[in-house]
Amino acid sequence: QKEVEQDPGPLSVPEGAIVSLNCTYSNSAFQYFMWYRQYSRKGPELLMYTYSSGNKEDGRFTAQVDKSSKYISLFIRDSQPSDSATYLCAMSVWAGSYQLTFGKGTKLSVIP
Amino acid sequence: DVKVTQSSRYLVKRTGEKVFLECVQDMDHENMFWYRQDPGLGLRLIYFSYDVKMKEKGDIPEGYSVSREKKERFSLILESASTNQTSMYLCASSFGQGGGEQFFGPGTRLTVL
Repeated sequence: QKEVEQDPGPLSVPEGAIVSLNCTYSNSAFQYFMWYRQYSRKGPELLMYTYSSGNKEDGRFTAQVDKSSKYISLFIRDSQPSDSATYLCAMSVWAGSYQLTFGKGTKLSVIP
Repeated sequence: DVKVTQSSRYLVKRTGEKVFLECVQDMDHENMFWYRQDPGLGLRLIYFSYDVKMKEKGDIPEGYSVSREKKERFSLILESASTNQTSMYLCASSFGQGGGEQFFGPGTRLTVL
């Protein structure tokens, strides 16, 4: 069983839709949870960063962590064509230093 | 803003050549990482370094080496490039403290012919 599972998509939605992206994980020791956005042929950029269970909101983006279910989500409200990208979840655990374990990414297309 | 730069965006090399990929970060981060990214395989960690002159193997170190002579600079070396090393190479850095969030460079698309 992989440590982090993420549906690769592709996911295609109309402009203005609410998008839900999800990851499940098996290692209960993961402490910090992140979402990265990666545009085509670019490096990933950090979008959201959370520590505890619950929700964190930043503009149209909401990150949700449920440690009891080992499940994290990213919601995008009022999606825009500029949100079209691959979204990677990542999580970290201390093992002498923090290293990230990444999901494989979900490719999202927002259609005008 | 954290800035991580990589020496080349696109690189074409021939089989057997020695290849150097350079990465520089300007935020005084202790940790630096090299990944490769391939379709369907996601990000795979090649090497990382948590201090100057220190290096640790990641998940796929075979065929690669690294050098970290200065805190801000981390180099990835392909001693003898092979076609299966054609990939997107991504450098990242992070603070020694905090939760490990990493900041990535723009990537180098390497093609080995």
